[in-house]
Amino acid sequence: DAGVIQSPRHEVTEMGQEVTLRCKPISGHDYLFWYRQTMMRGLELLIYFNNNVPIDDSGMPEDRFSAKMPNASFSTLKIQPSEPRDSAVYFCASRQKGTANYGYTFGSGTRLTVV
Amino acid sequence: QQQVKQSPQSLIVQKGGISIINCAYENTAFDYFPWYQQFPGKGPALLIAIRPDVSEKKEGRFTISFNKSAKQFSLHIMDSQPGDSATYFCAASMAFGNEKLTFGTGTRLTIIP
Repeated sequence: DAGVIQSPRHEVTEMGQEVTLRCKPISGHDYLFWYRQTMMRGLELLIYFNNNVPIDDSGMPEDRFSAKMPNASFSTLKIQPSEPRDSAVYFCASRQKGTANYGYTFGSGTRLTVV
Repeated sequence: QQQVKQSPQSLIVQKGGISIINCAYENTAFDYFPWYQQFPGKGPALLIAIRPDVSEKKEGRFTISFNKSAKQFSLHIMDSQPGDSATYFCAASMAFGNEKLTFGTGTRLTIIP
């Protein structure tokens, strides 16, 4: 099991550019979560999916952020246009329903720097 | 709205000592309280979790103490080791963890020789 795979690991982009972060959840997991981590705000839930359907996107900061899950093995988080305040580590996590005791499995994150 | 408050922000403990991290929650509907451990460059990983029907859960050197009336829970690390140096997050969820997790702000723990 390769775990949750995120790409790229690091991304440096200029303000105004479009950024796409990618996530491959663990096979068989039916929940997928996108979190953002910063020193000031800690781990914030942006959006989560169940069976590829967005369930709660109340954490998405604004319309510049969008997330999709076209199939059970792939999700993207897009920021367009990017701003310096979007600089953070973005984590994807997945979980199988009914296995709460096993927790979320997080990827290693994408460190985004917007200059 | 911060629903899970965590303290301290950072903690330095001598090797062999006891590390204690505290969390308080507001939403009485929470019924699942995990702790996650995060090493630099890695994502958080589940360490230990508790449900409110018990007041304490122990796994090796790690213990969660839970006080339902005070809406507080804490992580105790006994015989702290340098390898325990990491950032620790408390979290809370409803439906016994089957709803989304709300995380605390994290505690950076450093164990010194």
